[in-house]
Amino acid sequence: KAGVTQTPRYLIKTRGQQVTLSCSPISGHRSVSWYQQTPGQGLQFLFEYFSETQRNKGNFPGRFSGRQFSNSRSEMNVSTLELGDSALYLCASSPFPQETQYFGPGTRLLVL
Amino acid sequence: EDQVTQSPEALRLQEGESSSLNCSYTVSGLRGLFWYRQDPGKGPEFLFTLYSAGEEKEKERLKATLTKKESFLHITAPKPEDSATYLCAVLLYSNSGYALNFGKGTSLLVTP
Repeated sequence: KAGVTQTPRYLIKTRGQQVTLSCSPISGHRSVSWYQQTPGQGLQFLFEYFSETQRNKGNFPGRFSGRQFSNSRSEMNVSTLELGDSALYLCASSPFPQETQYFGPGTRLLVL
Repeated sequence: EDQVTQSPEALRLQEGESSSLNCSYTVSGLRGLFWYRQDPGKGPEFLFTLYSAGEEKEKERLKATLTKKESFLHITAPKPEDSATYLCAVLLYSNSGYALNFGKGTSLLVTP
């Protein structure tokens, strides 16, 4: 099976812009979670989607949002980018919530 | 308060020198503990899932064990290609649902 794919792999944006990241889960996986990874904070949970519904959300401001489509593909959006949003954004999929998650390669976002 | 703590933060081993990485957690009602390996610039790669105290799982030179308060990742006769950051995560209930709570990781370097 193909693994989790994320696009784009790299992004450079400037403060105040917005960005949309995409994630395609492993075939048959219906749960998609998003994480932010930074050197200082490590891996932090952003949100989880299952059957097009957000099931859980981490402690991030409302500028971070996401959605899931009927084919389980997911997107996350960050509006009004700040310098501190520079990070590796990781998507993970699992067949169902609370099951083992498999990660994609990530999208490296740099905000200037 | 950190609920998942990994130690040591960094570990340097000679090739063939066995050792253990520790992951301690402060949570009641464990619903799953996960080990991942992450290479620089890549997404975490799934290694093991453990659910109950006394459980053990093995894969090549790696063996994961679980007690009521901690998990160990034993590395037997490591090779340079085992160099990576090893992440431990616990499934925790937060906000409106369960989410993976990651430790900060142990950075392992195996020298020839």
